[in-house]
Amino acid sequence: AQKITQTQPGMFVQEKEAVTLDCTYDTSDQSYGLFWYKQPSSGEMIFLIYQGSYDEQNATEGRYSLNFQKARKSANLVISASQLGDSAMYFCAMRGPNNNDMRFGAGTRLTVKP
Amino acid sequence: KAGVTQTPRYLIKTRGQQVTLSCSPISGHRSVSWYQQTPGQGLQFLFEYFSETQRNKGNFPGRFSGRQFSNSRSEMNVSTLELGDSALYLCASSRTSGTYTGELFFGEGSRLTVL
Repeated sequence: AQKITQTQPGMFVQEKEAVTLDCTYDTSDQSYGLFWYKQPSSGEMIFLIYQGSYDEQNATEGRYSLNFQKARKSANLVISASQLGDSAMYFCAMRGPNNNDMRFGAGTRLTVKP
Repeated sequence: KAGVTQTPRYLIKTRGQQVTLSCSPISGHRSVSWYQQTPGQGLQFLFEYFSETQRNKGNFPGRFSGRQFSNSRSEMNVSTLELGDSALYLCASSRTSGTYTGELFFGEGSRLTVL
C-alpha cells in the first residue's frame, strides 16, 4: 500500500525567505510519481511540481524545487523567496503505475509573515 | 483554456436527502476523478471514470455513486445523506488514466453541508 506522510501541520516563514516542506512516502512500486499541490482558501488544488521515480535530476518549476532523495523515500518541497500569496495548504501526493487514484498526505499549512 | 468546472459550488442539505454534483473536465480530458476532503480524514479518493467506465473505486459506502457521460462530464450522487457527508468534494481531470506520470487538474470543489 502507498502512504504519504507530512509531519509538519503548520509552518511559518518570513517573506522573501526560503522554506522546506517535508514529505516522506512508502511504496513497494518501482515506478511512481510524486506531486505537490497548493490549496488556497478558495479550495482549488493547484498543481505545483512533479518528480518521477526514475528522474535523476530534482524537479524545478520557478520558485519551487523538489528535493528528491529516493533511498530515504523523501520528496521535500522547497519554496524560495516566499511571497505573501504563498500562504496556503500544501499537499504532497503520489501515484503508482497501477492505481488510478492519487494518494495525498495530511498537508502542511504555510503562513508567510510580512 | 477553461479549467475544471464544478457545480454547484455550495449547497446545504438535510439528513436523508440526496445530492448530485456535476463536474465538467478540461476539454480533451477523458479521465475524471472525485475526492472527498474533510478536516478529519483529509483527501480521500472516491472513484475515477475514464471513457464512461468506472476504473477504480475508493472505500466508500454504496450511497456514493457516479457516472460519466459521452462528453466526459461526470456527476456524483450521494443518497440518504448523513451528517458525516459534509465535506468539500473535489473533481479532477486528466488526459489519460492508469499512468503515474500525469498530474490531475482540480476544480474549485463543491462544498456540501448536511444539517
